[in-house]
Parts: sequence; structure tokens; C-alpha cells
Amino acid sequence: DAGITQSPRHKVTETGTPVTLRCHQTENHRYMYWYRQDPGHGLRLIHYSYGVKDTDKGEVSDGYSVSRSKTEDFLLTLESATSSQTSVYFCAITDRENTEAFFGQGTRLTVV
Amino acid sequence: AQSVTQPDIHITVSEGASLELRCNYSYGATPYLFWYVQSPGQGLQLLLKYFSGDTLVQGIKGFEAEFKRSQSSFNLRKPSVHWSDAAEYFCAVGAGTGRRALTFGSGTRLQVQP
Repeated sequence: DAGITQSPRHKVTETGTPVTLRCHQTENHRYMYWYRQDPGHGLRLIHYSYGVKDTDKGEVSDGYSVSRSKTEDFLLTLESATSSQTSVYFCAITDRENTEAFFGQGTRLTVV
Repeated sequence: AQSVTQPDIHITVSEGASLELRCNYSYGATPYLFWYVQSPGQGLQLLLKYFSGDTLVQGIKGFEAEFKRSQSSFNLRKPSVHWSDAAEYFCAVGAGTGRRALTFGSGTRLQVQP
């Protein structure tokens, strides 16, 4: 298995609170991604990174921010969580763009 | 922008029967194509991929897929399904250039009857 660790694995938070999800990789891959998975929508890209301090928005980036200060860590922050952000969040890595992606185990986030 | 359609939300097959999961994509040039499988509560695992060359690609667990440019399709097949194949299957497309990630279909949930 690719060395990807997501933390926490489960979280329940209240509306309006900030939340940070962490993705840590040990593969030294350049590209990292955050997706959310919702029934009927498959996986949708939130943000991605193509290097340290280089990030870009994906399809559903509103309400989310990211940071990548080290190759191995990619953080996803919900500045003020809303119920619509209840979802399962997956981190993925690739060594080059558009090649095979390796996924973490996911973080189930519930906003109440 | 690219898009992926998986027209079957849910499919049920009997163990030992053949399987075909449909995937249609929209993209102007030759895309990179992938099939992933997700077991309940797990992340996604790559089954197979197509970048170029032979249009029939073999993957893990006995799966294969055929790229048909004329039909913009990349259907997944398995000749004999096992109970352990019950999972959700996602087709994905990657654009050939630029710093873009994969676009996924909405998935097909496979149920296997004994």
C-alpha cells in the first residue's frame, strides 16, 4: 500500500467551527489532491498541489482552503464548517499529473 | 472540460456470471482512462488504466477494459464474477496536458448474488 495517512479518520464538528484535515505521505510524490465523495456524485476535486506552496482550485473549492509547506503534508481547512460539507474526504497522490493515483483511507466528517 | 458518465447506478449479477460496467467519457483528444474499485469503508484501488497503444487492457483481479474511440467508451468486463467483487466501481478520465486531476464518474455499485 502507498504510504498515505489521513487524520483524523472520523470527526464530528459543529456548524461554524474551523476544521483541518491532514494528509501525510511517505512516497515523496509531487502531486497531492483532496477529493470529497458524496452519494451520486462520485469523487469531486476540491484542491490540488503540484509542489510545495503550489496549489490550485478544483471543481468544488468554495469554503475550503489548503496549504502545503512540506512535500509530505497537504492540509485541507474548512474555515467555517457548514452542514453541506458533511462528506467523506479522500487524499490522493501521484508522481506525475494524470497518472495512477493512490488514495488514503478517507476521513468521514459530519457537521452538525 | 472532460466529463465521465456511468449510466448504471446499481447492477446485480449472479456469482459466476459475466459482468460489463459501462463508462462513457467526453474529451476532445485521447484521454487517460482509469477504473477504480472501492470496497465499503475503504479507499480506492486502481484496477486498470489506458494511456495509449493496445485498446484492450488487462488489470488486476481478472478485469479487463476496452477503449473504443468511436463510441467514447471504456467499458469494464469480467468473464466470471466472484462474491468478493461486490463493491463500487468508478471510471475516471485524465486530460493529457496541464496540471489537472482526474474527473470521476458517479460510480456503479455491484451486488453479487450467490
